[in-house]
Amino acid sequence: DQQVKQNSPSLSVQEGRISILNCDYTNSMFDYFLWYKKYPAEGPTFLISISSIKDKNEDGRFTVFLNKSAKHLSLHIVPSQPGDSAVYFCAAIQQGAQKLVFGQGTRLTINP
Amino acid sequence: NAGVTQTPKFQVLKTGQSMTLQCAQDMNHEYMSWYRQDPGMGLRLIHYSVGAGITDQGEVPNGYNVSRSTTEDFPLRLLSAAPSQTSVYFCASSEDETGLDSPLHFGNGTRLTVT
Repeated sequence: DQQVKQNSPSLSVQEGRISILNCDYTNSMFDYFLWYKKYPAEGPTFLISISSIKDKNEDGRFTVFLNKSAKHLSLHIVPSQPGDSAVYFCAAIQQGAQKLVFGQGTRLTINP
Repeated sequence: NAGVTQTPKFQVLKTGQSMTLQCAQDMNHEYMSWYRQDPGMGLRLIHYSVGAGITDQGEVPNGYNVSRSTTEDFPLRLLSAAPSQTSVYFCASSEDETGLDSPLHFGNGTRLTVT
């Protein structure tokens, strides 16, 4: 049972435009949500997070939006740059659970 | 500035062989974990540890053993390799298990092929 789902395996965006990556979850007990970015032959690296008590968190070009009623979160990258080409993983955790649950990942390609 | 170091980077095993994937971190993190990455499945938690001497199962623990005798090291053992264990394995560590105050730091992975 996939508790965190990224239904788009891939996304292609033109450089300078907005990239929107989506993530859905089924467990209403999740307290925190995170996004990780992964380049080929490297481990994932932390990008941005959001608490379930917030609906938006911004860090430079990256903004994460949380819609608790829809159990949906999204990552916006504006403007998109070639270096943003990577696989992005959505993750979630219930406080006290000690287990971070990841989605399947979305491969983002930024075209020049 | 090593962070999380995984060895080996690549490994090919025959069915039934055993091996240990090594993971070491130099950040004095209490929490360590092992994930496997498979196409279409994302990252799935195998085992984790909240400190030396303490380990617990994750989502897909069958076929794997772990131990945590020191804060720095968290080896993953495959007792009898199966083709279904062909995957990329990532070790990660953080100051706390939520990865919030201190996000998970991942190693660069071990690509394992079982024939």
